[in-house]
Amino acid sequence: DTEVTQTPKHLVMGMTNKKSLKCEQHMGHRAMYWYKQKAKKPPELMFVYSYEKLSINESVPSRFSPECPNSSLLNLHLHALQPEDSALYLCASSQASQYGYTFGSGTRLTVV
Amino acid sequence: ILNVEQSPQSLHVQEGDSTNFTCSFPSSNFYALHWYRWETAKSPEALFVMTLNGDEKKKGRISATLNTKEGYSYLYIKGSQPEDSATYLCAASHTDKLIFGTGTRLQVFP
Repeated sequence: DTEVTQTPKHLVMGMTNKKSLKCEQHMGHRAMYWYKQKAKKPPELMFVYSYEKLSINESVPSRFSPECPNSSLLNLHLHALQPEDSALYLCASSQASQYGYTFGSGTRLTVV
Repeated sequence: ILNVEQSPQSLHVQEGDSTNFTCSFPSSNFYALHWYRWETAKSPEALFVMTLNGDEKKKGRISATLNTKEGYSYLYIKGSQPEDSATYLCAASHTDKLIFGTGTRLQVFP
């Protein structure tokens, strides 16, 4: 299995809702990442997990809460989001940055 | 702070034309340079990862070069085809941080 699987593909949520995005990989990669991408902008790094531990948080607001239950799974818990949080959320994994990243196809999130 | 820039922002070429894009990045604290191809509604696909100054990599009609001393990389597409239409992203990494440029959107007309 050489893919990163993200679910759901699309999500519409209200500002008072709690939802979660899921990401799964079975390539044995030691690092997993969350990126946020808004239209016509590059993907922006949010979080990095290395060996299931949070290693980088790019000053992301606490309404985004990452979780890495095991080496294959990465979740992003969402609570009290704002309309400006609407974006494409991409998950990626890698063994090491010199080997390239494998990306999922993303979750398109709309906050209403 | 890594700041990665790409040019041009967009490019329209005829089928059969050869084309190239530029990626510039800070040459200090450099670790690796990645190129990705991103088609609409699909996942970004890794094309190349380069680490050494003077590196050249090739995959079919697509090739890339790296100059770490001056902080730039070129991506070349020889004989563009309509299926090459996509956004081409470069990204520079420092340890576990991969920072993307804004991309070059390529459209190849038959």
